[in-house]
Amino acid sequence: DARVTQTPRHKVTEMGQEVTMRCQPILGHNTVFWYRQTMMQGLELLAYFRNRAPLDDSGMPKDRFSAEMPDATLATLKIQPSEPRDSAVYFCASGLAVYNEQFFGPGTRLTVL
Amino acid sequence: AQKITQTQPGMFVQEKEAVTLDCTYDTSDPSYGLFWYKQPSSGEMIFLIYQGSYDQQNATEGRYSLNFQKARKSANLVISASQLGDSAMYFCAMREPNTGGGNKLTFGTGTQLKVEL
Repeated sequence: DARVTQTPRHKVTEMGQEVTMRCQPILGHNTVFWYRQTMMQGLELLAYFRNRAPLDDSGMPKDRFSAEMPDATLATLKIQPSEPRDSAVYFCASGLAVYNEQFFGPGTRLTVL
Repeated sequence: AQKITQTQPGMFVQEKEAVTLDCTYDTSDPSYGLFWYKQPSSGEMIFLIYQGSYDQQNATEGRYSLNFQKARKSANLVISASQLGDSAMYFCAMREPNTGGGNKLTFGTGTQLKVEL
């Protein structure tokens, strides 16, 4: 049963610390998406990749957020330095470019104190 | 402007009854896709159903059907024979055309459905 995996599932950190979230897309999927979900803003697209290349990261605060795909089996989202307003659930999703469905991971719940 | 609008923040339905969750969208592109996702209290996002803009028939998946009215730009989700396990947040989303490839989804604000005995 192929699934998107995300680590860690929960993260509590202090303001100013670096946070790295990891995602393993479903094997064979060539598009990867990062979303952020908050009560106030709902689900927002932060960035997405196709064949490991970033296609759009306009939803991401550039000064503190960065997203990369070091290889086809790993996507990372990094926040440095973290701020309390970054507290949210961060979802990774993967899919096939020619198909329409995105498969979501379980999310990382981030709390920045 | 909102691309996806879900006007019902919360809905209640009796078990075994049918319920319709509303979704309207805004796009000028002829090629698009519409999705519904379910998010239970556990937090995961579960894909339910998809409708392509060129699909002639309404999509159906088990107890889920999508009432697609293209001229009205609406894509309502119909859940038949509601079950207690259907209690969750439901999101409507639209795939936006992307010249770079891949699928970029824009989500609505969601409708919280509560199924009652």
